[in-house]
Amino acid sequence: TQLLEQSPQFLSIQEGENLTVYCNSSSVFSSLQWYRQEPGEGPVLLVTVVTGGEVKKLKRLTFQFGDARKDSSLHITAAQPGDTGLYLCAGAFYNTDKLIFGTGTRLQVFP
Amino acid sequence: KAGVTQTPRYLIKTRGQQVTLSCSPISGHRSVSWYQQTPGQGLQFLFEYFSETQRNKGNFPGRFSGRQFSNSRSEMNVSTLELGDSALYLCASSLAPSGGPVGDTQYFGPGTRLTVL
Repeated sequence: TQLLEQSPQFLSIQEGENLTVYCNSSSVFSSLQWYRQEPGEGPVLLVTVVTGGEVKKLKRLTFQFGDARKDSSLHITAAQPGDTGLYLCAGAFYNTDKLIFGTGTRLQVFP
Repeated sequence: KAGVTQTPRYLIKTRGQQVTLSCSPISGHRSVSWYQQTPGQGLQFLFEYFSETQRNKGNFPGRFSGRQFSNSRSEMNVSTLELGDSALYLCASSLAPSGGPVGDTQYFGPGTRLTVL
């Protein structure tokens, strides 16, 4: 059974600070997705990474896929209150036909 | 293009009752997945339907069931409700099946918040 661990579980920071969220698995991902979920809404896909070592940028968000494809990170530069939400990673694996979601990182950015 | 819609948005039921939740996918999407989200367990996969066939199922008891209609709309049913069934139930649609090594991108609805008293 694949498990996705996300850390930290909670993060409370001031506007302008940088932060990094991690997603780890004991199994190799075939691909990995990052989502953001705001209160009262469903998760919204931010990015999909497929290739080991891949780095993708989305404005102030930088996503990195580990070389061994067992881990990923999301780095936010100069966080803003609009970044507040629940960040979820979701992994696809070769031996299962469904996405497995991590437990999430709840981010609060204060002005 | 309209997004994924879920009805109702909020539901309050009592233990022992049953409930039916509805999901209308994005037009043209043939795959619908259902998830349960709770603070303690996170997002847990319930099942996925593609072209009216259940192609995958998570580790939930038989009280949780679903179906998909020919227009791709989907319903999920929970019978004999328990307090632990209180959760946000999310539906996601995609053009093709979402899981596996090359799964298609899923688009989530806003969810139905179920409270069991």
